[in-house]
Amino acid sequence: GQNIDQPTEMTATEGAIVQINCTYQTSGFNGLFWYQQHAGEAPTFLSYNVLDGLEEKGRFSSFLSRSKGYSYLLLKELQMKDSASYLCAVSDSNYQLIWGAGTKLIIKP
Amino acid sequence: ETGVTQTPRHLVMGMTNKKSLKCEQHLGHNAMYWYKQSAKKPLELMFVYNFKEQTENNSVPSRFSPECPNSSHLFLHLHTLQPEDSALYLCASSQDTQASSYEQYFGPGTRLTVT
Repeated sequence: GQNIDQPTEMTATEGAIVQINCTYQTSGFNGLFWYQQHAGEAPTFLSYNVLDGLEEKGRFSSFLSRSKGYSYLLLKELQMKDSASYLCAVSDSNYQLIWGAGTKLIIKP
Repeated sequence: ETGVTQTPRHLVMGMTNKKSLKCEQHLGHNAMYWYKQSAKKPLELMFVYNFKEQTENNSVPSRFSPECPNSSHLFLHLHTLQPEDSALYLCASSQDTQASSYEQYFGPGTRLTVT
């Protein structure tokens, strides 16, 4: 079966750095997405990785290791507005997105 | 503003009611999706349309009936729902379904409660 695993909840402090991990087992791989979803709002696209390595975009970075079936989202200089759920999704061999249950990130002052 | 709108934002319906959810995208995309989001569960893909043709139906019960009259509009018709169908229903669009790099743009969702 296809499976995406990520922690259910994480807590971090304003100004700090947090890493949200995602491991996957899918039939085929055509890229991995990270989305952010604030409570009561639509998920919004953060990043896409299809090759191994680190992609940096401002305070957010996303890393992929295809051989390990592993990705992480790194958030630096945390702000209160970063409190949200972070969803990991993998595009499988049919280009269908397989989603994780999301990681709820709580930022404390 | 994401370019994908959904109405209504909230809906309470009885098990014998018939209602419809509406989604509209203003992004010129060719693919549209319906997802179900329940608390602490992964997004469940329900239906996919590409160029107005249904390309995926992930074993969704027949009490959910999609309609895609054109590439900009998508409906989800609901009838004789069950309490376990209560969830957030999200609509999304993307440029196409046959390329991995096309991110999906989501609407704000309809919070459905079945009583």
